[in-house]
Amino acid sequence: DTEVTQTPKHLVMGMTNKKSLKCEQHMGHRAMYWYKQKAKKPPELMFVYSYEKLSINESVPSRFSPECPNSSLLNLHLHALQPEDSALYLCASSQVSGQGYEQYFGPGTRLTVT
Amino acid sequence: AQSVTQLGSHVSVSEGALVLLRCNYSSSVPPYLFWYVQYPNQGLQLLLKYTSAATLVKGINGFEAEFKKSETSFHLTKPSAHMSDAAEYFCAVSLRVGAQKLVFGQGTRLTIIP
Repeated sequence: DTEVTQTPKHLVMGMTNKKSLKCEQHMGHRAMYWYKQKAKKPPELMFVYSYEKLSINESVPSRFSPECPNSSLLNLHLHALQPEDSALYLCASSQVSGQGYEQYFGPGTRLTVT
Repeated sequence: AQSVTQLGSHVSVSEGALVLLRCNYSSSVPPYLFWYVQYPNQGLQLLLKYTSAATLVKGINGFEAEFKKSETSFHLTKPSAHMSDAAEYFCAVSLRVGAQKLVFGQGTRLTIIP
């Protein structure tokens, strides 16, 4: 099973709402990632978790709050977002961080902030 | 810092013709290199990767890529294009040392002409 699942597929939220994105993998991977992808652009790395610990934060605004409750789950908590945060949010996982291991991507959550 | 450049944001080929998507990297040491494909409204799928075992790398769906250190290139090819190959293609690079931070090229949209 090389599947990364993400829920929900689509999310519309107001600027004062609090919502969460969920990502799950059952491949035994110990590294998990959040990316943001705007239309017609490549994915941009937001966060990296390695062995359930945050190892990279790409200077992401604090209105995005990641959480890794266990080795299979990754959440992204959203609060007080701006319309420019509307994008496709992709989760990925890899066996470990580094050493050339490929990342497996989920289908993404399409987020619209109104 | 490593970076990757994809020449041509749009490439059109006829069905049955050769597909050639260009990727050049910039890194002080040969990095790990990846090609991903993204179909509309989907996540990214790994086509192939280079980790130094062999310079000619074969991937899924009939794609292959050749690593050329002297040219700092990792071009993607497929001998005969199919309609189903129409998608966005991303070349990506990561360092050999440290956390696996994938840096993506800007992407190339491949259109197949019937």
